[in-house]
Amino acid sequence: AQKITQTQPGMFVQEKEAVTLDCTYDTSDPSYGLFWYKQPSSGEMIFLIYQGSYDQQNATEGRYSLNFQKARKSANLVISASQLGDSAMYFCAMRHLNFGNEKLTFGTGTRLTIIP
Amino acid sequence: DVKVTQSSRYLVKRTGEKVFLECVQDMDHENMFWYRQDPGLGLRLIYFSYDVKMKEKGDIPEGYSVSREKKERFSLILESASTNQTSMYLCASDTQGRDEQYFGPGTRLTVT
Repeated sequence: AQKITQTQPGMFVQEKEAVTLDCTYDTSDPSYGLFWYKQPSSGEMIFLIYQGSYDQQNATEGRYSLNFQKARKSANLVISASQLGDSAMYFCAMRHLNFGNEKLTFGTGTRLTIIP
Repeated sequence: DVKVTQSSRYLVKRTGEKVFLECVQDMDHENMFWYRQDPGLGLRLIYFSYDVKMKEKGDIPEGYSVSREKKERFSLILESASTNQTSMYLCASDTQGRDEQYFGPGTRLTVT
């Protein structure tokens, strides 16, 4: 069974600082994908970044990067130069990439608050 | 612009009522999903569908059923609503593989 663990229920970070949101996962399947989503107070889920288990390099998307450590089964999200608009819930998720087993499993989320 | 829409943003129902939550996507996606979101529990998968008329149970299917008669539409049905089904319900769709899931705006259901 696949499992995602986010151990930080909430974080407070000063504006312009970098922040790391932790995510560990558990799976015995070698082929999987890892996702990060942002959920602002308005409720919509916004896709941020994706990392495949066979990708050689860590994924980056603008101010977001994914620190992928396969041996440790961790996929931490790094947000550089945080902004007030980054205040939101953040969810880590994983799916296996073989047909018939593609459901997405989510962690419990981290509520990030950026302090001016 | 890709879009997943849900029939209601807010819904209030009484215990025992039959409740229909509708989801429509305009991206020709094969896969559609229903989640519920509760504080401290994240998103939990209720049901999903790989194709028309096909459905698979997720992690918490008890008390729910689904219907997918057309590719673009996926309905979640609460046969007899109970107070413990008060929650935020999110619909999503995607294609196979690495593509991200696209989410609807959510329906906040209150059962009294």
